[in-house]
Amino acid sequence: EVQLVQSGAEVKKPGESLKISCKGSGYTFTNYWIGWVRQMPGKGLEWMGLIYPGDSDTRYSPSFQGQVTISADKSISTAYLQWSGLKASDTAMYYCARRSPGGTSGWYYFDYWGQGTLVTVSS
Amino acid sequence: QSALTQPPSASGSPGQSVTISCTGTSSDVGGYNYVSWYQQHPGKAPKVIIYEVSKRPSGVPDRFSGSKSGNTASLTVSGLQAEDEADYYCSSYAGSNYVFGTGTKVTVL
Repeated sequence: EVQLVQSGAEVKKPGESLKISCKGSGYTFTNYWIGWVRQMPGKGLEWMGLIYPGDSDTRYSPSFQGQVTISADKSISTAYLQWSGLKASDTAMYYCARRSPGGTSGWYYFDYWGQGTLVTVSS
Repeated sequence: QSALTQPPSASGSPGQSVTISCTGTSSDVGGYNYVSWYQQHPGKAPKVIIYEVSKRPSGVPDRFSGSKSGNTASLTVSGLQAEDEADYYCSSYAGSNYVFGTGTKVTVL
């Protein structure tokens, strides 16, 4: 069974750093892109970026380029999203999601999602 | 990359149909047949219900259907059921980027 399990909720102060995680299981982690999606309180979904754990090729949404860093450790089947200086406006639920494999399974959609990590930034 | 435009809300009585539009540009919806739709219940993660404009993943009821014309994609939910009350988001591949819609809250009256 494919699963993406994210790290737990975080409460941080402005200016602090943070790294949240997304552990994949039930499939070959290195063969599928993993994306990150932000959902601010009461708002819609926003695509942040993607990483291919096999070679760490990373793509960012222009809106998030330079604001966050996406990485992966294929040895432990885990993708990461990190901030070096949090702002109050980073308060949101963050989801990781696996991109579909392509071929007969379909292209360019997110087929499995993590449960979400709530990040709260407040002084 | 601007968000795709969806109506904020839609509603229907049980058994009725509701259609949600998703308008983008020739750089996203109009340029690729890679529109997907996601259903999100309160406090839950999104779940894909349509991919590649009109395909349904295994396990998704055939009450859900998708289509596209030009820069606008649509999701139709036929035979509305109480459990269909949720937020719905479209998404499109946009050439190394992805863009989501603004979201539509569907209410079952």
